[in-house]
Amino acid sequence: GENVEQHPSTLSVQEGDSAVIKCTYSDSASNYFPWYKQELGKRPQLIIDIRSNVGEKKDQRIAVTLNKTAKHFSLHITETQPEDSAVYFCADTGRRALTFGSGTRLQVQP
Amino acid sequence: NAGVTQTPKFRVLKTGQSMTLLCAQDMNHEYMYWYRQDPGMGLRLIHYSVGEGTTAKGEVPDGYNVSRLKKQNFLLGLESAAPSQTSVYFCATGDGSYEQYFGPGTRLTVT
Repeated sequence: GENVEQHPSTLSVQEGDSAVIKCTYSDSASNYFPWYKQELGKRPQLIIDIRSNVGEKKDQRIAVTLNKTAKHFSLHITETQPEDSAVYFCADTGRRALTFGSGTRLQVQP
Repeated sequence: NAGVTQTPKFRVLKTGQSMTLLCAQDMNHEYMYWYRQDPGMGLRLIHYSVGEGTTAKGEVPDGYNVSRLKKQNFLLGLESAAPSQTSVYFCATGDGSYEQYFGPGTRLTVT
């Protein structure tokens, strides 16, 4: 996509609480929306993705929702654990490759 | 099965020096990408390739060149390094279905 905005930039939650990270995109042609988790000093790892023909996808404690009309999608993490602490990036499909958001640093307090 | 590997892991250059970063994959993927990651800015696409012998510019291509002479390798070159090129460089590969697999990264410092 042309531009992906991600909020918040930092998020601190208590262990067991839920965390929500939101992204908005501008390219109406985008049809693939992945979320990556990056631990300190490590490579980004895909944790969940969604294509434009569905509105929600779940995988255990994580879920992604997509609103194509409003051009936004969100990552939901339930029952957060200390090992969920990392930087999370959203992305959307660019004409050439993925366009990434600026990242959200999630800190789960034990 | 190593997946995606990058060489070197770390490098310190002086301004004006040149170097080449190597990305190698054994996943038989057609698509390969080079990103740079700066604090607070996510990953930005430098160059990419959709197959052996092809290359194309991404979002921030200035100061970099690339080559894809073999399907399994994608090289990123810095002809005259500048301090603004201090960053972490990630290579990624894909089969064209959008999902990308990242290498471990190269941390480059230009003094």
